[in-house]
Amino acid sequence: QQPVQSPQAVILREGEDAVINCSSSKALYSVHWYRQKHGEAPVFLMILLKGGEQKGHDKISASFNEKKQQSSLYLTASQLSYSGTYFCGTVPWMDSSYKLIFGSGTRLLVRP
Amino acid sequence: DAGVIQSPRHEVTEMGQEVTLRCKPISGHDYLFWYRQTMMRGLELLIYFNNNVPIDDSGMPEDRFSAKMPNASFSTLKIQPSEPRDSAVYFCASRAGQGSPSGNTIYFGEGSWLTVV
Repeated sequence: QQPVQSPQAVILREGEDAVINCSSSKALYSVHWYRQKHGEAPVFLMILLKGGEQKGHDKISASFNEKKQQSSLYLTASQLSYSGTYFCGTVPWMDSSYKLIFGSGTRLLVRP
Repeated sequence: DAGVIQSPRHEVTEMGQEVTLRCKPISGHDYLFWYRQTMMRGLELLIYFNNNVPIDDSGMPEDRFSAKMPNASFSTLKIQPSEPRDSAVYFCASRAGQGSPSGNTIYFGEGSWLTVV
C-alpha cells in the first residue's frame, strides 16, 4: 500500500532540474507532496486531487497521472534551499477512511 | 494562528518506563494523526481520529501503545512499558474537515524526539 518513490537520492548543482516520481499500486484519490529538512517536521508543498492535475509552487510543480497512478514532482532551477527529503503521500480512491500513507522519501542535495 | 503543538520536544527515558506524548491540534481541525518516523521504517501512520473518535489504529505496533483524544484540542500517545526499539520521532498532525478550503492539507507538529535507553 505504501507508494514507491524514485530515485532514492539525487545530487544536483544549483540551477539544475530534478524530477521525483511517486507510484502506487492502487487507484488514488489524492497525492500530497512534502519536504522535510533534517531535524524538522515535514512541510506541505502541494496536493493534487484530480487526474492530470498540475500544480505549481514557485519553481516546484507536480503532475498527477490518474491512469498510471503516478505523480511526479518537478524542481526547476534548483536552489540551495531545496535540499531535504521529499515525501509523497497518497490516499487511495474509494477509501472511506483518510489514511495518508507516505513513501520512503527521496533525499535531494543541492550543491553550490 | 498557532500550528500543531507537541510536547515534550525531546525525551530520554529508561526501558520499562511509561512515556506520554501530547498534542494540541490546530483549532477547528477535525482530524488528528499520529505518525512515527525512523530511519528504517520511514514515516508510519500509527492512528488517526476524526472528531475525537479513533477511526483507524491498524498502524499501532503493539498493545504497549495507546492513544486517546478526550476532546477536540488534546490528544495523547502513550507507550507503556517503553523499549529501546520505540526510539523515534513521533509526529502529530491535523487537518480540517472536507468542507474547509484547506480541508485536504495535513499540517505537522514539530515532533517529539524519543530516546529509550
